[in-house]
Amino acid sequence: GDSVTQMEGPVTLSEEAFLTINCTYTATGYPSLFWYVQYPGEGLQLLLKATKADDKGSNKGFEATYRKETTSFHLEKGSVQVSDSAVYFCALSDRGTNAGKSTFGDGTTLTVKP
Amino acid sequence: DVKVTQSSRYLVKRTGEKVFLECVQDMDHENMFWYRQDPGLGLRLIYFSYDVKMKEKGDIPEGYSVSREKKERFSLILESASTNQTSMYLCASSGGAGRTEAFFGQGTRLTVV
Repeated sequence: GDSVTQMEGPVTLSEEAFLTINCTYTATGYPSLFWYVQYPGEGLQLLLKATKADDKGSNKGFEATYRKETTSFHLEKGSVQVSDSAVYFCALSDRGTNAGKSTFGDGTTLTVKP
Repeated sequence: DVKVTQSSRYLVKRTGEKVFLECVQDMDHENMFWYRQDPGLGLRLIYFSYDVKMKEKGDIPEGYSVSREKKERFSLILESASTNQTSMYLCASSGGAGRTEAFFGQGTRLTVV
């Protein structure tokens, strides 16, 4: 079945540091890829997405590129802020008959210190 | 914006009680999902539904059932609550083919005592 493996946390960075959270996947079809963010006590929110190879998703300074050849979708941000402290989930979704059923990674907790 | 609303943020129930968790979405989405989230275990799919009155088991359906009588509403039922069902429960919806991103509710933290 489909699976998502993301970098284990927790990750602690100083403000303005560069962030990378690695994500790789295995899928039987041609999935869409997502990053979700979860702030304390909240549900998950979509951060960015990419639906085909070489697409770059971006939002709020975060970016990730759909790399089909390496089955990866790494999340990056050039300069993190304290407000970016949250749990980040990489996910994929089947675009076939089970469209919308997502497979999630285990989440990576990011703490940004002033 | 899509809104997914869960009926309670926090619930405390006694062992053996029947518990209902309600979820409503306002964007006419075909698909709805229930997950539980536990430290170290990530998100685990309990049940999902692609249409009214339709349901499919996810990865951990034991001890749970669901109901989808209307397109906008998806209920999770704990038939006889147990302490190992203490968890954060997350409802999500998505729009179907070509629109596969999930929209989540704010979560219900259930404690079974």
